[in-house]
Amino acid sequence: EVQLVESGGVLVQPGRSMKLSCAASGFTFSSFPMAWVRQAPTKGLEWVATISTSGGSTYYRDSVKGRFTISRDNAKSTLYLQMDSLRSEDTATYYCTRRYPVMDAWGQGASVTVSS
Amino acid sequence: DIQMTQSPSLLSASVGDRVTINCKASQNINKYLNWYQQKLGEAPKLLIYNTNNLQTGIPSRFSGSGSGTDYTLTISSLQPEDFGTYFCFQHNSWPFTFGSGTKLEIK
Repeated sequence: EVQLVESGGVLVQPGRSMKLSCAASGFTFSSFPMAWVRQAPTKGLEWVATISTSGGSTYYRDSVKGRFTISRDNAKSTLYLQMDSLRSEDTATYYCTRRYPVMDAWGQGASVTVSS
Repeated sequence: DIQMTQSPSLLSASVGDRVTINCKASQNINKYLNWYQQKLGEAPKLLIYNTNNLQTGIPSRFSGSGSGTDYTLTISSLQPEDFGTYFCFQHNSWPFTFGSGTKLEIK
């Protein structure tokens, strides 16, 4: 069974950092491009970042470029999102997704709240 | 960025009804359009990819169509478990973008 399990979500102050992890199982993680998608409270979905199978190519939405870093460890079947200089507008549930841009599997989401 | 406009934003229908949800792109997206269903408190679930390809495990009452800028998700006979919010998503041009969602309520 394909499973994606996010962890690391919490309350953090503006300007601080946080790292999300997504542990994958049930499939060959290294064969799939992966992505992070977020959803602010009562809002729609928003693509955040994408990474290629090897990790050699990454893409970001403009509003997080230079602040967020997506990475992966294929040996550990784990996807990461390092978030620096966090802003209140980054408050959202963050989902990791498989096989971007088809996104045929999603994690349960990690809640990130940026507030003083 | 390509804007994806969904309509209606809210839809109330009865079990057994045929339901259509529309998604209009601000420019041609060459059929690179997916549909997702999200229930409250849950992650989105892929229903249709590339306009009309039914994801494995999704009931055949769901179908997709369209081309150019206009796309449609159809539920041929609405079931009680089909309530939720439906999102379209274009992956033709960066940055890929989602529609604002259609909330489907069961009467």
